[in-house]
Amino acid sequence: EAQVTQNPRYLITVTGKKLTVTCSQNMNHEYMSWYRQDPGLGLRQIYYSMNVEVTDKGDVPEGYKVSRKEKRNFPLILESPSPNQTSLYFCASSLIGTGKETQYFGPGTRLLVL
Amino acid sequence: GENVEQHPSTLSVQEGDSAVIKCTYSDSASNYFPWYKQELGKGPQLIIDIRSNVGEKKDQRIAVTLNKTAKHFSLHITETQPEDSAVYFCAASTGGAGSYQLTFGKGTKLSVIP
Repeated sequence: EAQVTQNPRYLITVTGKKLTVTCSQNMNHEYMSWYRQDPGLGLRQIYYSMNVEVTDKGDVPEGYKVSRKEKRNFPLILESPSPNQTSLYFCASSLIGTGKETQYFGPGTRLLVL
Repeated sequence: GENVEQHPSTLSVQEGDSAVIKCTYSDSASNYFPWYKQELGKGPQLIIDIRSNVGEKKDQRIAVTLNKTAKHFSLHITETQPEDSAVYFCAASTGGAGSYQLTFGKGTKLSVIP
């Protein structure tokens, strides 16, 4: 089944404790992206990647890191989480090319930073 | 950058009635406009999209219209059913023109009353 998977689905942590949220897709998509969803703010892009070893900032990159060492994986790293990073996080992926822009979303990771 | 405004933020309709959600965008270079449905506890799922070279697209009970001159696009759901209750997001992107970044509206919570 074609899908985007995220782990963990739920995470409670404390301020300053490094964490990684994994994202993996099995559709051979070049493009991958991380979003955060907050009440009243919709979805905002954190980072994206056009292909292996190619990443760039989205609209709200502060406090986050990403890497793209393999095509299928795009982990989101919070080096020193803070309470304002409490949010619902989504990973998405798509092909690249006109007519292929449909982004497929993972199930989400709900993060609480105490 | 792109800015997408979405209205209304909440919408209640009787089962069988129609629902209309409207979005405006600011970047005239945007050429790809997807609509996503998000059910409780799940990631957004594409329900329909439209590209700038067409003015309207239909898929069963769902239709999207695009007015490039006015920079607005709308989602129309006819004969609404309780399972249509969800949060709907519009988005805009320059798609295959080089950027695949989706800019989302803040969402519309649709409630279909049986």
